[in-house]
This record gives sequence, structure tokens and C-alpha cells, in this order.
Amino acid sequence: GAVVSQHPSRVICKSGTSVKIECRSLDFQATTMFWYRQFPKQSLMLMATSNEGSKATYEQGVEKDKFLINHASLTLSTLTVTSAHPEDSSFYICSASFSNGGYEQYFGPGTRLTVT
Amino acid sequence: AQKVTQAQTEISVVEKEDVTLDCVYETRDTTYYLFWYKQPPSGELVFLIRRNSFDEQNEISGRYSWNFQKSTSSFNFTITASQVVDSAVYFCALGNTGNQFYFGTGTSLTVIP
Repeated sequence: GAVVSQHPSRVICKSGTSVKIECRSLDFQATTMFWYRQFPKQSLMLMATSNEGSKATYEQGVEKDKFLINHASLTLSTLTVTSAHPEDSSFYICSASFSNGGYEQYFGPGTRLTVT
Repeated sequence: AQKVTQAQTEISVVEKEDVTLDCVYETRDTTYYLFWYKQPPSGELVFLIRRNSFDEQNEISGRYSWNFQKSTSSFNFTITASQVVDSAVYFCALGNTGNQFYFGTGTSLTVIP
């Protein structure tokens, strides 16, 4: 149980275009979903936290207009990287949690974004 | 301030050796949660364990064991009789009641056959 999927697993796009990444909890309803960014050989950096039906809470330094997050249902959250630039190239990972506060997060397999 | 320190950046062991991954955390919260995750080369993080701040009981799961000591703010992870499949990056994380996670920088473990 507690499976989280992400789509696509890899995407290459041209500078200036937008890319949408989907995150789905397959066998449970996720109260909260999270989006992380991971640079090579580095730790995960939390970008934003989203609860179904409400606006995402962004971490300091994360541009909310650039990284649009929509948590449409208890099983789906999307991250759209708008007007992507090469510096946005990274590994994006989503996670989902059953509840608020202290519960383990289950991670998706990640999406490797390359902006050319 | 919330912080997790994994001082060991990279560790290499020979198969069947035991290895301990260190994790030290900082928090002012009285209620918090500690986690270990495994990230194999495929990239997907695998949940290993969660510990609540009020439960200092150590845990063993097969070849894995965890030692939680509040007195030293540590939550160390030991793999007994390591195997090649254990090669991965291991992350320690601190969670609060607001569901925020703070990850350490990870320890890359290589098990040499």
C-alpha cells in the first residue's frame, strides 16, 4: 500500500516552455502533498506543501508564480514549471501523507526535468 | 531552528560487515518525529521507519536497527551483515506537527561485494 506515482518520469523541454508534472496517490487519499527539488548528490529541498482544495504553501525563496501547484483532489497534485529555464533543470519529487502532523510521507519516483 | 546533520557523506563497507549511519537533529519542539528513508540509484525514496519523540524504544527490523537517544539528539541506523542491495543514499529526516520535513544531506553507502 501507500503507492505514489509521478508522470512523466523524464521530460526534456525547451527554454521558455511550461512543463506539468503529475503526482498521484494510487491506493490512499492524501490529505497533504509535498513537492521537493533535489540537485545531484544533494538533499531534498521542500518547495511547497499543498492540501486538497486550498492554495499551496510555498517555502521561502520559491517563486509561486513560476512553480504553480494545484491540488485538485485527494489523489492528485500537479506542479507546473512555467517559462522554464536551464537552471530549473532538476529532479522533482512529490510525496503524499495520510494526515497532517508527523505522519510518514510516501514518495513518488521523481521526475527528471531537463531544460535545453 | 530545525536541523538534521548526517556527518558521514560517503561510507564504503565490504559485504557482510555491519555499518552504522549517524543522524543528529536539532529542534525546540517537544513533539517531533524522526524518519529514515532509502534512496536507491533509481531515485525513489523508500520509507524505512518513523519514530515519535516520546518513544525512545529502539527498534529492530531484520538486518536493520535504529537507536534513538534523546539525550544526545541522535537517531542512528545500523545495518547488520550488509549486502550489495543496501547500496543507496540514506536520508534522515525530522518532522514536526505542521507536517514539515527537514532532511539531512544524506549518507551514500556503498557495499562492496
